[in-house]
Amino acid sequence: DAGITQSPRHKVTETGTPVTLRCHQTENHRYMYWYRQDPGHGLRLIHYSYGVKDTDKGEVSDGYSVSRSKTEDFLLTLESATSSQTSVYFCAIGGQGAEGYTFGSGTRLTVV
Amino acid sequence: EDQVTQSPEALRLQEGESSSLNCSYTVSGLRGLFWYRQDPGKGPEFLFTLYSAGEEKEKERLKATLTKKESFLHITAPKPEDSATYLCAVQDGRDDKIIFGKGTRLHILP
Repeated sequence: DAGITQSPRHKVTETGTPVTLRCHQTENHRYMYWYRQDPGHGLRLIHYSYGVKDTDKGEVSDGYSVSRSKTEDFLLTLESATSSQTSVYFCAIGGQGAEGYTFGSGTRLTVV
Repeated sequence: EDQVTQSPEALRLQEGESSSLNCSYTVSGLRGLFWYRQDPGKGPEFLFTLYSAGEEKEKERLKATLTKKESFLHITAPKPEDSATYLCAVQDGRDDKIIFGKGTRLHILP
C-alpha cells in the first residue's frame, strides 16, 4: 500500500479496557481519517485530522478519541471498549481531489 | 439527508458474462463520486472519480458512468480476478462530507 500502515492488524480485548490503534503514513498527507466497517453498513467516519493537532469528529465518534502529534501518525483510542466497537477499523489518507482515499489494510478489533 | 444505495447487494456471473453495478445517490450538490474495489481482508482500493453527468472513466474491463442521480460500473467480459466488493461513495459539495454505500459483492465463476 502507498505508504500507509496500521497496527496492530488484529486485536482481542476485554470490555472496559482502553485500546489504541495506530496509523502511520509516509506520504506527508495533511488529511488522515479513521473509519469503521461493519456488515450491513457502509464505511462510517469516526474522526479525521486536517493537520498536526487539528482533528474533528465524524458521524460515529462517541466512545472514540484521536490524537495527531506528528504529520505521519494518527492514533485512535477507544477509551473504554464495548462489544459494539467490535469492527474492522481503516485508516485513510488523502481524499482531497481526484485521487480519492488511500486506505490502510485495516485492524480487526474484537471486544469480548 | 444524503444517501447512497448500491444494487444489487451481491452478483454472481460466469467468466465473460458482462453486467453492471448500480450506485444511486441523493446529495445536495455532488462534488464527486468515487468507486473503490475491496478484496477480502484488505482496505478499499481507489478506482475512479467522476464529477459531472455524462462523464465516463475506464480501466481495463471496468467503465464507470455518471448521471444526475446514479452511477454505473460496467464490467465487460469479467475474469475470476475481478471478484471483489465494489464500493461507491459520494462527496457532498455543501459540506465535503463523504458517504459510502454498502457495496456490491461480485463473484465471477470460472
